[in-house]
Amino acid sequence: QIQLQQSGPGLVKPSQTLSLTCGISGDSVSSNNAAWNWIRQSPSRGLEWLGRTYHKARYYSDYSESVKSRITINPDTSKNQFSLQLSSVTPEDTAVYYCARSPVSKAGLLHIWGPFDNWGQGTLVTVSS
Amino acid sequence: DIVLTQSPDSLAVSLGERATINCKSSQNVLYSSNNKNYLAWYQQKPGQPPQLLIYWASTRESGVPDRFRGSGSGTDFTLTISSLQAEDVAVYYCHQYHSTPRTFGQGTKVEIK
Repeated sequence: QIQLQQSGPGLVKPSQTLSLTCGISGDSVSSNNAAWNWIRQSPSRGLEWLGRTYHKARYYSDYSESVKSRITINPDTSKNQFSLQLSSVTPEDTAVYYCARSPVSKAGLLHIWGPFDNWGQGTLVTVSS
Repeated sequence: DIVLTQSPDSLAVSLGERATINCKSSQNVLYSSNNKNYLAWYQQKPGQPPQLLIYWASTRESGVPDRFRGSGSGTDFTLTISSLQAEDVAVYYCHQYHSTPRTFGQGTKVEIK
């Protein structure tokens, strides 16, 4: 059974960096069969995918253009977890942040990406001074 | 970016009656190489993360009751709850995983009439 456990502060000051961690049990951040994602949810923006990291011979990261200049998602193989860092936050970054797993399979040369099948519990992050 | 538009935004259905939610995609999410629609449905209850119900447009996730049915192809999709139960009160989202950025519909709130 795969479980994702989020940790990190719930209050961040404007202009500072939001940092969250997602611990993985029942799977591996080094797996070639999964991607590890960050998603946020707010009343104004709905559910918004922020980015992912995944391993295929080496680690890759993809980011949404909306946050690309401010975001870093990194794997931590020693702790089997991955992290989110979002810099220069403003009150518009206030949201519930989720980590989530998406499976990847292979059919010949085709990589078949799947939906988000396991989610963390969510962390409400408020950006306020 | 692929835009997903759900309709209606909310609906109230009597217990035991059918609930139907539509999701229209701005682009085709059918991948010709494997003939799969990269469209999923989630259920979200207050204070909880979204829970995967349906993937590949019509495949139920393990443990999901068979009153939940997904259908459609290409750009038009439907989630049907055949006989609404009290525990189905929630917000439902469609989601495309055909392209990055991954995107979601705006959600449909289902309530009991």
